[in-house]
Amino acid sequence: AQSVTQPDARVTVSEGASLQLRCKYSYSGTPYLFWYVQYPRQGLQLLLKYYSGDPVVQGVNGFEAEFSKSNSSFHLRKASVHWSDSAVYFCVLRNTGNYKYVFGAGTRLKVIA
Amino acid sequence: GPKVLQIPSHQIIDMGQMVTLNCDPVSNHLYFYWYKQILGQQMEFLVNFYNGKVMEKSKLFKDQFSVERPDGSYFTLKIQPTALEDSAVYFCASSYRVNQDTQYFGPGTRLLVL
Repeated sequence: AQSVTQPDARVTVSEGASLQLRCKYSYSGTPYLFWYVQYPRQGLQLLLKYYSGDPVVQGVNGFEAEFSKSNSSFHLRKASVHWSDSAVYFCVLRNTGNYKYVFGAGTRLKVIA
Repeated sequence: GPKVLQIPSHQIIDMGQMVTLNCDPVSNHLYFYWYKQILGQQMEFLVNFYNGKVMEKSKLFKDQFSVERPDGSYFTLKIQPTALEDSAVYFCASSYRVNQDTQYFGPGTRLLVL
């Protein structure tokens, strides 16, 4: 069965600091992987996606993620966070055989001054 | 970017009543999805829909649930009758294609069944 684990329910970082949000997945093949962000009272917005190729993918607003098949991970990174990055971040998996997304529980990021 | 709208944003109803949740997908999208998120839990897939038919559904998609998109208007999720455990946030999503494609999500409808 497929699953996605985001081990950190909440992360607090200072503005300007670097960020890593962790994501581990369970899937026997190579999945499609996504990071979405959800701001209050808004829909989920796509940050970046990985299908194949270069394991480091660039997204919007300076975010990037690195796919590791050996570690079954897809961690999200940002070199310098801004207060507006405060939101809930979801790691999402979709296998190549069907249409549904499998979500992680989300990580709530708080950026403090 | 493309936007998916959901109407209403909140709905409170009594157990046993019928409720219809409405989704206005991205205009040229062909595939539609509903997800359910119970408070404090992970978002879970309910159903997807293409060309007038349910393509895939999960065990959460009970017999009391139905989906349709009459005449290319709203994509709807109907629950009849509702139960207490249906209280959740329901997210609609749409995509243009299904393979390797990105789903765009609405802001959710918060349903409370009393």
